[in-house]
Amino acid sequence: EPEVTQTPSHQVTQMGQEVILRCVPISNHLYFYWYRQILGQKVEFLVSFYNNEISEKSEIFDDQFSVERPDGSNFTLKIRSTKLEDSAMYFCASSEFLTSGGDENIQYFGAGTRLSVL
Amino acid sequence: DAKTTQPNSMESNEEEPVHLPCNHSTISGTDYIHWYRQLPSQGPEYVIHGLTSNVNNRMASLAIAEDRKSSTLILHRATLRDAAVYYCIATYGNKLVFGAGTILRVKS
Repeated sequence: EPEVTQTPSHQVTQMGQEVILRCVPISNHLYFYWYRQILGQKVEFLVSFYNNEISEKSEIFDDQFSVERPDGSNFTLKIRSTKLEDSAMYFCASSEFLTSGGDENIQYFGAGTRLSVL
Repeated sequence: DAKTTQPNSMESNEEEPVHLPCNHSTISGTDYIHWYRQLPSQGPEYVIHGLTSNVNNRMASLAIAEDRKSSTLILHRATLRDAAVYYCIATYGNKLVFGAGTILRVKS
């Protein structure tokens, strides 16, 4: 069964450093998402991406964050200057379609990258 | 997206059915009801979704009230592998808004 793949599984970085989290969405999917989950808290939407553009972003997704689809398979989340509060699990997801609510909008999630900012 | 309300936790015995309720009294006519679950140390996983009619798939059944203000996720025979946080999300748009969900504990 096709799956969303995220690398690395765990990233440790120093405060102020840049990190890039990588995701390989399901191959025929067109819509991509990043979510994060701080330890013990809810899963929070960060950004959705389609056709090389951001479709929607949350208040969390400030100028320190950026997303990119550098080639036909990868989807990346960059944090320019990490803060302690960026420590969280980051989940990538993909779906066939964006807005219909139906089968095409089912989102498939990766296993996540645990980001630890020291 | 409509606000959803779920019990904080529920407990079930293995091999017994589990009914997980969700209230979404402010749901709009175009909002679908989605259920996802999150097993320990994993990403969220799609379970089932529906609009108005009851739905069945290999994982679960979804019963939707006639007025659509509530729904129930039914696991027909809970196993230890079903222990997870279950999220009910009412949405039409391109993002999933997760609440705290219901922690399901399954006893052997």
